[in-house]
Amino acid sequence: EVQLVESGGGLVKPGGSLRLSCAASGFTFSTYNINWVRQAPGKGLEWVSSISGTSNYIYYADSVKGRFTISRDNAKNSLYLQMNSLRVEDTALYYCARSEGWGPGWFDPWGQGTRVTVSS
Amino acid sequence: QSVLTQPPSVSGAPGQRITISCTGSSSNVGADYDVHWYQQLPGTAPKLLIYGNTNRPSGVPDRFSGSTSGSSASLAITGLQAEDEADYYCQSYDSSLRGWVFGGGTKVTVL
Repeated sequence: EVQLVESGGGLVKPGGSLRLSCAASGFTFSTYNINWVRQAPGKGLEWVSSISGTSNYIYYADSVKGRFTISRDNAKNSLYLQMNSLRVEDTALYYCARSEGWGPGWFDPWGQGTRVTVSS
Repeated sequence: QSVLTQPPSVSGAPGQRITISCTGSSSNVGADYDVHWYQQLPGTAPKLLIYGNTNRPSGVPDRFSGSTSGSSASLAITGLQAEDEADYYCQSYDSSLRGWVFGGGTKVTVL
């Protein structure tokens, strides 16, 4: 069964840092692009970042560029999101999701999410 | 403001047909980037519902269908059921933003 499991969320003060992880299983991790998507409380979905299978291609939303860093360890079947200079508006449920299909593709499946709260 | 525009809510009686619109622009849907749809049941992660504008993943009932026209896309649900109460999101790729974009989401209520 294809599965993604996020971890690492928590409560952090504005300006602080946090590192999220996403553990993958059930598929050949290194051959897939993986994404981070977040959802603020009561709000919609926002794409955050994407990384190609070999880490050659990395993309960020403007809202996190320069503050967040996506990375992966294919030997550990794991994806990471290093979040620095956190802001209150970064408070959200963070999902990892696998890219599928042709062109930019779609996201399937999604993990269950890990919650990040930025508050003083 | 989301790059893709969806109505905040749509409702219908059991058995009815409803549609959810998703309006984009010349840098995403209008540029022929595919539209995908996700269903998010309360308290759960999003689940792929329609991919590549019109395709249903295995296990998704044929009551759900997708279409596109110009810079817009639509999700139709026929034979509406109580279990369809959820939030629905459209997604595409935007060449100007160089990233994936989502609609603001539509809450479907079964009356």
